[in-house]
Amino acid sequence: QSALTQPRSVSGSPGQSVTISCTGTSSDVGGYNYVSWYQQHPGKAPKLMIYDVSKRPSGVPDRFSGSKSGNTASLTISGLQAEDEADYYCCSYAGSYTDVFGGGTKLAVL
Amino acid sequence: EVQLVQSGAEVKKPGESLKISCQGSGYTFTTYWIVWVRQMPGKGLERMGIIYPSDSDTRYSPSFQGQVTISADKSTSTAYLQWSSLKASDTAIYYCARRVGAYMDVWGKGTTVTVSS
Repeated sequence: QSALTQPRSVSGSPGQSVTISCTGTSSDVGGYNYVSWYQQHPGKAPKLMIYDVSKRPSGVPDRFSGSKSGNTASLTISGLQAEDEADYYCCSYAGSYTDVFGGGTKLAVL
Repeated sequence: EVQLVQSGAEVKKPGESLKISCQGSGYTFTTYWIVWVRQMPGKGLERMGIIYPSDSDTRYSPSFQGQVTISADKSTSTAYLQWSSLKASDTAIYYCARRVGAYMDVWGKGTTVTVSS
């Protein structure tokens, strides 16, 4: 499977909103409502932020939200905070117990 | 508390073998898939494969089929990732994670593997 396509970088100022896109195909993103998003700070393990397209695990601020349209999923972070600066990865189920990650997006909070 | 505790960093020479581990605690280890994920230096996450510890059903991602072996020991709640002959290109951080449904909710801290002559 090919990696999902994410922008290499996005940026925003504190308090603003940013959206990170994740584009796949009808065999992964478009075919299932099983997109998840992970946040990774430098030197740390990834952390689950969104699952099943738009659900938030307990403890994740409601500033983080997810959505999907066709073959593209999106992660929106509103009210940007300095601590949100990190790498973000999308991941989609692709059938037969297969998952595919996106290439990752570096979020800079200016 | 649900935890995945990974083994420590390794420094190996090309051609050597290696087995790293991921021990689960705080939950019924046999009822969740464990995923192994590679992160090469400065690069993104790549899914290597998954194992269901209850029956050791294992699925490899195409790029990793034949390159590594994933196994599990139910008696010690531990999953393993092993190489028979390491290459310099295996230098990376390797994460294990618990797979719930179609997402990974708990991650280990990662094991850094360095392969250098």
